[in-house]
Amino acid sequence: AQKVTQAQTEISVVEKEDVTLDCVYETRDTTYYLFWYKQPPSGELVFLIRRNSFDEQNEISGRYSWNFQKSTSSFNFTITASQVVDSAVYFCALSVYSGAGSYQLTFGKGTKLSVIP
Amino acid sequence: GAVVSQHPSRVICKSGTSVKIECRSLDFQATTMFWYRQFPKQSLMLMATSNEGSKATYEQGVEKDKFLINHASLTLSTLTVTSAHPEDSSFYICSANPGHGFSYEQYFGPGTRLTVT
Repeated sequence: AQKVTQAQTEISVVEKEDVTLDCVYETRDTTYYLFWYKQPPSGELVFLIRRNSFDEQNEISGRYSWNFQKSTSSFNFTITASQVVDSAVYFCALSVYSGAGSYQLTFGKGTKLSVIP
Repeated sequence: GAVVSQHPSRVICKSGTSVKIECRSLDFQATTMFWYRQFPKQSLMLMATSNEGSKATYEQGVEKDKFLINHASLTLSTLTVTSAHPEDSSFYICSANPGHGFSYEQYFGPGTRLTVT
């Protein structure tokens, strides 16, 4: 069975601070994909990044960066110089093959980030 | 590309009535569609997986007679909540998978907020 743990339920930071959201996953599959999504108050999921299990290269996109470490089964997400618009719930998710040609996503419980002006 | 729509975005219905939610892939054919449910301040929970032209596969604990899923074409899946009750009030999100080598991708719709009075 797959499992995604986001231990931080809620985080509050002051604007311009850096913040890291933690994600730890469990799976026995050797091929899998990891995702981060942002869910603002409107509810729509916004895709942020996808990583496959064979690519441990860290990635930076503007103020966002991701640290994937297979040795610790972690896929952490850092926002640099946070802004009020970053306030949202962030979900980490794990995708593994479920048969019949499709993959199934397992979501973590989410971390609610509040950026205070 | 890869746009998924849901209709309606919000619906209020009376207890005992049925509600149909549509999920459409607008610019691609979806071999597989997924339906998720999200209670307030909680994560997304997979309800069922549907493949075009075949019966949906429901997750454990999801009543198939209550949540009817029809995936009649490669661009449309519908979720019908039958005899809705207040405890069915939730945010329902669909996703679509284009297949063809990208079976790990899921493109999410904007969600439907159901309130049963």
